[in-house]
Amino acid sequence: EDKVVQSPLSLVVHEGDTVTLNCSYEVTNFRSLLWYKQEKKAPTFLFMLTSSGIEKKSGRLSSILDKKELSSILNITATQTGDSAIYLCAVEVPGNQFYFGTGTSLTVIP
Amino acid sequence: ETGVTQSPTHLIKTRGQQVTLRCSSQSGHNTVSWYQQALGQGPQFIFQYYREEENGRGNFPPRFSGLQFPNYSSELNVNALELDDSALYLCASSLGGVSSYEQYFGPGTRLTVT
Repeated sequence: EDKVVQSPLSLVVHEGDTVTLNCSYEVTNFRSLLWYKQEKKAPTFLFMLTSSGIEKKSGRLSSILDKKELSSILNITATQTGDSAIYLCAVEVPGNQFYFGTGTSLTVIP
Repeated sequence: ETGVTQSPTHLIKTRGQQVTLRCSSQSGHNTVSWYQQALGQGPQFIFQYYREEENGRGNFPPRFSGLQFPNYSSELNVNALELDDSALYLCASSLGGVSSYEQYFGPGTRLTVT
């Protein structure tokens, strides 16, 4: 059974801290891994990582895919209160189907 | 904003009733996926439609059904509602095909079953 596991489940940090969120997966025929930020309702797209692009960076956020370890990390440096959200990891398998993890709830305290 | 819209925003139904949720995809996207997100959980894949045909289905019973129309808008129908069907229902549109494309989510419909 395809499975995506995220850790930690929740995290509380102070503004300015750096955080690392983890995502591990067990799927057949991996195609891509995606990170989303969910603040209220709709998850918003952050990164997509595939075999041909295993590291992405956008401002204070960066992500790395480790295909050997079947995992990915999402790093956020110099955290701000606006980074408070649930961060979701999803893995794509053939047929454009996506399996999501439970998410990591990040709270950034001023 | 992603360009994906859903209606209604909120809905309250009674156990045993039927419900229809609607989704309008982002322009140019021919694939729509529906997800159920229970409180504190990640989205769970219900099914996907590609060019009006069901293209994959998650572990949901047959009382969850869908349609995709020629303009690529979509409906999710749920019959014989149960209390556990209370959740946020998200649709996401993407480009189908052999390449991987990111999905763009709508704001969701919050369904409460009493």
